[in-house]
Amino acid sequence: EAEVAQSPRYKITEKSQAVAFWCDPISGHATLYWYRQILGQGPELLVQFQDESVVDDSQLPKDRFSAERLKGVDSTLKIQPAELGDSAMYLCASRIRASAGELFFGEGSRLTVL
Amino acid sequence: AQKVTQAQTEISVVEKEDVTLDCVYETRDTTYYLFWYKQPPSGELVFLIRRNSFDEQNEISGRYSWNFQKSTSSFNFTITASQVVDSAVYFCALSEAYGFGNEKLTFGTGTRLTIIP
Repeated sequence: EAEVAQSPRYKITEKSQAVAFWCDPISGHATLYWYRQILGQGPELLVQFQDESVVDDSQLPKDRFSAERLKGVDSTLKIQPAELGDSAMYLCASRIRASAGELFFGEGSRLTVL
Repeated sequence: AQKVTQAQTEISVVEKEDVTLDCVYETRDTTYYLFWYKQPPSGELVFLIRRNSFDEQNEISGRYSWNFQKSTSSFNFTITASQVVDSAVYFCALSEAYGFGNEKLTFGTGTRLTIIP
């Protein structure tokens, strides 16, 4: 069964270090999302891509976070420098297009910043 | 702005009991979608149901059922004859369209359901 792949599953880093997460959506899915889920809360949208273009990054802390999807397939989310408050689960999701189809989530990348 | 409230933070029931998870939402749009997702310990969010704002019919899928009431802005989820495998965090979510035909999901804070054997 097709799935959204994410890596790494777990990442421990010290504050002020750089960290990157990778997501490979389901083949053929044009729309890709990065969500952040703080422990005990629901996921919050960070950025949405349609193919290689950013559709919505209004909730992305752009001073330290960046996201790209250069070829419109896989995507990378980077944090530099990491802060203690960035400790969370980072979830990637994809769907066939922005307003249709089920949203499929990956297993997430859990970040701990020390 | 849209908002989803799941007032029940944690629920524990004994196996085979029925359990209802509450969800109340706020939106200014007349067209919107409501969702339920399950998040097992492994972390991924598993899609359970999507319902549009024009369809108030209740839905049943096996042991799962959903009650959508626009008059009270609620979209409650009931598990009948609960099983240990139902233990997970359940999220209710609301989606409004915003530009380019895109939908933006807003999640509630989740309800942690524990089924006691």
